Amino acid sequence: EVHLEESGGGLVQPGGSLRLSCAASGFTFSDYEMNWVRQAPGKGLEWLSYITTRGTTIYYADSMEGRFTISRDNAKNSLYLQMSSLRVEDTAVYYCARAGYGPLYMDVWGKGTTVTVSS
Amino acid sequence: SYVLTQPPSVSVAPGQTARIPCGGNDIGTQSVHWYQQKPGQAPILVIYDDSKRPSGIPERFAGSNSGNTATLTINRVEAEDEADYYCQVWESNIDHVVFGGGTKLTVL
Repeated sequence: EVHLEESGGGLVQPGGSLRLSCAASGFTFSDYEMNWVRQAPGKGLEWLSYITTRGTTIYYADSMEGRFTISRDNAKNSLYLQMSSLRVEDTAVYYCARAGYGPLYMDVWGKGTTVTVSS
Repeated sequence: SYVLTQPPSVSVAPGQTARIPCGGNDIGTQSVHWYQQKPGQAPILVIYDDSKRPSGIPERFAGSNSGNTATLTINRVEAEDEADYYCQVWESNIDHVVFGGGTKLTVL
């Protein structure tokens, strides 16, 4: 069964850092591009970042402003999102999602991990 | 950047047809994808490339795209279809994924 599971969320103070992980199983992780998407409480979906199979091409949403870094370790079947200089408005559920065909759409999603930025 | 516009809400009676529009400038020239999200759950892909259904998605779900509007159509709506629906495109000019604001489908 194709499965994505995020971890690493939690409570962090403004200005702090957090590293999210996404463990993939049930498919050949190294064959697929991946994305991070978030959803603030009561809000819509916001795309954050995309990475190709070998990590050679990476795209970020403008709102990330260099604070977030996507990476992957194909040997560990894992995707990561390093977040720094966190703000209250970064509070959200963070999803990893498999790209279905290039960057066009996302065909498999994890259940998400919750990040709360608060003092 | 490219903007996708969805109505905040759509209501439909069980057994009827729900149509959820997604507006964008010349959206008919792009591939549009649709996601369903139920409360407390992750989104799932219900339509990709305008009108294709992933495996496991009921045939009641259909998509179309022309001009400035893409439409998700749900035929013979069931109570279980009550959810938020998001349209999405890949904006190739700036290498960004763009989501619509989402539409809450209420089954009366």
